[in-house]
Amino acid sequence: RKEVEQDPGPFNVPEGATVAFNCTYSNSASQSFFWYRQDCRKEPKLLMSVYSSGNEDGRFTAQLNRASQYISLLIRDSKLSDSATYLCVVNGTSTFGDGTTLTVKP
Amino acid sequence: SQTIHQWPATLVQPVGSPLSLECTVEGTSNPNLYWYRQAAGRGLQLLFYSVGIGQISSEVPQNLSASRPQDRQFILSSKKLLLSDSGFYLCAWSLGITSGSTDTQYFGPGTRLTVL
Repeated sequence: RKEVEQDPGPFNVPEGATVAFNCTYSNSASQSFFWYRQDCRKEPKLLMSVYSSGNEDGRFTAQLNRASQYISLLIRDSKLSDSATYLCVVNGTSTFGDGTTLTVKP
Repeated sequence: SQTIHQWPATLVQPVGSPLSLECTVEGTSNPNLYWYRQAAGRGLQLLFYSVGIGQISSEVPQNLSASRPQDRQFILSSKKLLLSDSGFYLCAWSLGITSGSTDTQYFGPGTRLTVL
């Protein structure tokens, strides 16, 4: 089993839709979790950290479920500019998932 | 503010040739530094990380090596490139232990390497 697993997608959604991605991890001792966004042929950029209590940044909500060992990213009111690959990372081992590709269509 | 530089942006090299990629960070001291490789359509694979000058940890056996000759300089090298070394190489930094450790990593623009 891979240390970090993501549904590769692609997720194709219309503008304005709500979409959610999950990322499962195998190391129960993991302490820090992040979501990154990567545009085509660019470097990953930090989208948000994931806190135990869950956190929200505008249209984006991140949650952590330690019991089931997964983190999630919810995007509300999708915009065309949200089209990208979303990578989750579980630190301590700097382990990145392979990413979930999102395409938002007009 | 902190910035991270990588060069070159793209590189085409023949099999068997040497490689040297450089990464420098500005605006912070004693950062943790990382080298990743990303194959097409895949996630990031951690190759090396460093917590200080001359301190290098390797995550996977490979044809590559890394060095940290200065606090904010990280170099990725190979003596003889293989076809399988092709990929997108990313350097990243995070705050070091002396700065109050955090795992948040910030990436440079990357080097796209094609080995022919």
